[in-house]
Amino acid sequence: DVKVTQSSRYLVKRTGEKVFLECVQDMDHENMFWYRQDPGLGLRLIYFSYDVKMKEKGDIPEGYSVSREKKERFSLILESASTNQTSMYLCASSPFAGFMTGELFFGEGSRLTVL
Amino acid sequence: AQRVTQPEKLLSVFKGAPVELKCNYSYSGSPELFWYVQYSRQRLQLLLRHISRESIKGFTADLNKGETSFHLKKPFAQEEDSAMYYCALSGNQGGKLIFGQGTELSVKP
Repeated sequence: DVKVTQSSRYLVKRTGEKVFLECVQDMDHENMFWYRQDPGLGLRLIYFSYDVKMKEKGDIPEGYSVSREKKERFSLILESASTNQTSMYLCASSPFAGFMTGELFFGEGSRLTVL
Repeated sequence: AQRVTQPEKLLSVFKGAPVELKCNYSYSGSPELFWYVQYSRQRLQLLLRHISRESIKGFTADLNKGETSFHLKKPFAQEEDSAMYYCALSGNQGGKLIFGQGTELSVKP
């Protein structure tokens, strides 16, 4: 069973704080993704990575950065949190074969509130 | 531009009624389309993909290239179908999925 684990389910931070969201997958997947999920807007891709130390901007990268030092771990970083970054953050992974199958395996999500 | 549109935020039906969740897409190439589902307090998961032409939990979806649509259908809705449904498109950069806004399906007893 593919397992994608997000370290924090709920976080409350203050404006200007630096925030780290961690994601670990245990299936040796090449691809990893960070989405944010907002009502009425669906899922929007922030960043993704096809390999260690590789990263690609998604549709809404502003205000975010990522780190992938190990294959199994993909971190999302908010350098200076703002209230408009209050959201549910979803991490996902897929094998390279997922390139064509489109199946992403999601974590349970991290709900971030920025005050 | 690649885009997925789900025009209905909320769809409410009674148990046993047919259900159709609409999805329209904009894509210049040959699309790969998917439906994902998120049940209450569960992870988002793949429901079905158009290339498989499969029926999952009684749901089917047909790709209509002329109308650029990929509507999800089920002839008889069940209460356990209540969930959030997302249509998704595989873009030019493989593995990356573009999601629609989501439709919440509520099946009433």
